[in-house]
Amino acid sequence: AQKVTQAQTEISVVEKEDVTLDCVYETRDTTYYLFWYKQPPSGELVFLIRRNSFDEQNEISGRYSWNFQKSTSSFNFTITASQVVDSAVYFCAQLLTGANSKLTFGKGITLSVRP
Amino acid sequence: NAGVTQTPKFRILKIGQSMTLQCTQDMNHNYMYWYRQDPGMGLKLIYYSVGAGITDKGEVPNGYNVSRSTTEDFPLRLELAAPSQTSVYFCASSPSDRPPNYGYTFGSGTRLTVV
Repeated sequence: AQKVTQAQTEISVVEKEDVTLDCVYETRDTTYYLFWYKQPPSGELVFLIRRNSFDEQNEISGRYSWNFQKSTSSFNFTITASQVVDSAVYFCAQLLTGANSKLTFGKGITLSVRP
Repeated sequence: NAGVTQTPKFRILKIGQSMTLQCTQDMNHNYMYWYRQDPGMGLKLIYYSVGAGITDKGEVPNGYNVSRSTTEDFPLRLELAAPSQTSVYFCASSPSDRPPNYGYTFGSGTRLTVV
């Protein structure tokens, strides 16, 4: 079975604050993929990052960084110096391999960045 | 490149009416998916298909039907619309069970209201 938990439901910060979005996943598989998607108010789903289960390297992309830790089954996402344009719903998702693999989403975190 | 195209973008249905949500992709992807998104609940898988003529149930299939007569098209049918089916519906596609680095290709969504 696979499960993705995003315990935070809504986060509100003031512009320029740093914010971390938590994601905990469950699976017994050894090979899997983890994703973060952003859904701005316009409604489309925007891909942010994919991580493979065999690659625990953290990643930084501009103001975004991701911390993947298999020991705690977590894949957390940090936005540094947040901006109003970061206001969106953020989804963590997991994909197992195999013929019947399906992308499983967490419930999402609504981030509001106030000016 | 059109990617995944969903029509209509918005629709209001009366209870008991039926309708078909259309989904077409032009990337020759074998795998296609239908998700529904409810506020605070993330995206849940309704049905999926691994190729023309092959469909299977996801997590929340009740009240829906699908067909996959061609690689390109994966329509979702609501036979007797109910208020519980008020949601945003996303269609997605992938070339295989191991999608590219960006994950699935998502359509822009259909916002359905049943009154």
